[in-house]
Order: sequence, then C-alpha cells, then structure tokens
Amino acid sequence: DQQVKQNSPSLSVQEGRISILNCDYTNSMFDYFLWYKKYPAEGPTFLISISSIKDKNEDGRFTVFLNKSAKHLSLHIVPSQPGDSAVYFCAASGILHTQGGSEKLVFGKGTKLTVNP
Amino acid sequence: GAVVSQHPSWVICKSGTSVKIECRSLDFQATTMFWYRQFPKQSLMLMATSNEGSKATYEQGVEKDKFLINHASLTLSTLTVTSAHPEDSSFYICSARVRLPLVRSFGPGTRLTVL
Repeated sequence: DQQVKQNSPSLSVQEGRISILNCDYTNSMFDYFLWYKKYPAEGPTFLISISSIKDKNEDGRFTVFLNKSAKHLSLHIVPSQPGDSAVYFCAASGILHTQGGSEKLVFGKGTKLTVNP
Repeated sequence: GAVVSQHPSWVICKSGTSVKIECRSLDFQATTMFWYRQFPKQSLMLMATSNEGSKATYEQGVEKDKFLINHASLTLSTLTVTSAHPEDSSFYICSARVRLPLVRSFGPGTRLTVL
C-alpha cells in the first residue's frame, strides 16, 4: 500500500512556463512534507518543505501548496529553467505528532521533469 | 556543507558473495544514518536506521542478518549485503541526519548488480 503517490511519472514543460508537480498521500498521520530533487548518479537534494500548520511555503521560484482536506500537495516552479530538469520526489513524515511521532520519511516514486529550452 | 559520500558508486558481484557499501559524512558528524533501497521506477524504501554505537533498527521485512549495518563512528556507516543474490540487485542510498527535524543529506548511491 503506497502511502505517498506521485501519479505522473513524467512531465515536460517549456522553459519560462510553470511546472506543477503533484503528490497525494493517504496517511492522516503525516504532518510534514518535503520535496527532493535528484539528478542522475547523484543523491536526492532537499528543495523545500511544508508543515501541516501551513498551506503554502515559498522559496524563490519554488512554492509548495498543501491541501490537508484533500491530502494533496503540489510543487510549483515558476519560471521553469532547463537546469530544473531532474526527478522530483515527494516525501512525508509524521514527525510533528506528539504521540508516536516518527522522523521516518516515506517517499513517492518520483516525477521526471524535463524543461525544454 | 553536509556532504555525504558513498563507496563504491557501483559494484558487480557473483551470487553468494558479500558486498560492503560505505557511507561517510565528510564535513559533519552524523549520529544517525539511514539506508534506503530503490528498485527501478520505484520509490526510495527505508531499510534501516543506524545510530552511532548502537544496533541498527530495521524496517519490517528487511532481514537484519542479510543486511548488516555497522555505525562504528560518527562519520561512517557500512552496509554489508551478505550472500548476495540477483534479487538484491538494486540502488542503495544512504542518508545522514544533519539536524532535527528531518534535515538530511543523501549520498550519491551505490548501484549493486548481482550476477
């Protein structure tokens, strides 16, 4: 049973346009969410995160939106650049829970983003 | 900062042999390291959490006698795949906790192919 789902294995956008990567989760215990970017032959690198007390977090060109009622989050990249081409992983954790909180990260399968010049 | 290295980056071995993968934190001390496995087109799956100086905590379904983890120092954790079989072929990635909460650095991964 996959608790974190990234239903789009790939996404292709034009340079300068918006990239929207989606992620759904099923576990209501999750309260902290992260996005990682991964280039080939490299480990994932942290991009941006959001806790469940917020519905939006912005860092430069990257914005993460969280819809708790829908158990859905999305990563927006505006404007998209060719250097953004990578695999993006959504990850979730239940660390903020006061009882049984865990820092274990549960990852989605990733979405391969290609930004065309 | 917070760089994690892995060695080797890839390894090919015969079935039945053991393979050791090293994970090092280069510029920081990591009391806790995490070992993940990723099969093609699948998500990163946590195998175990290793704490310096103590036994690793394995996730359900991961055989601790097959995947031996040793976190003997604050900068080094090793994963040994014992008596490797073709089904163990996978991409193994380690991660180190940089600071709480959930701030991690990942290594570049090790591609294991068992013939």
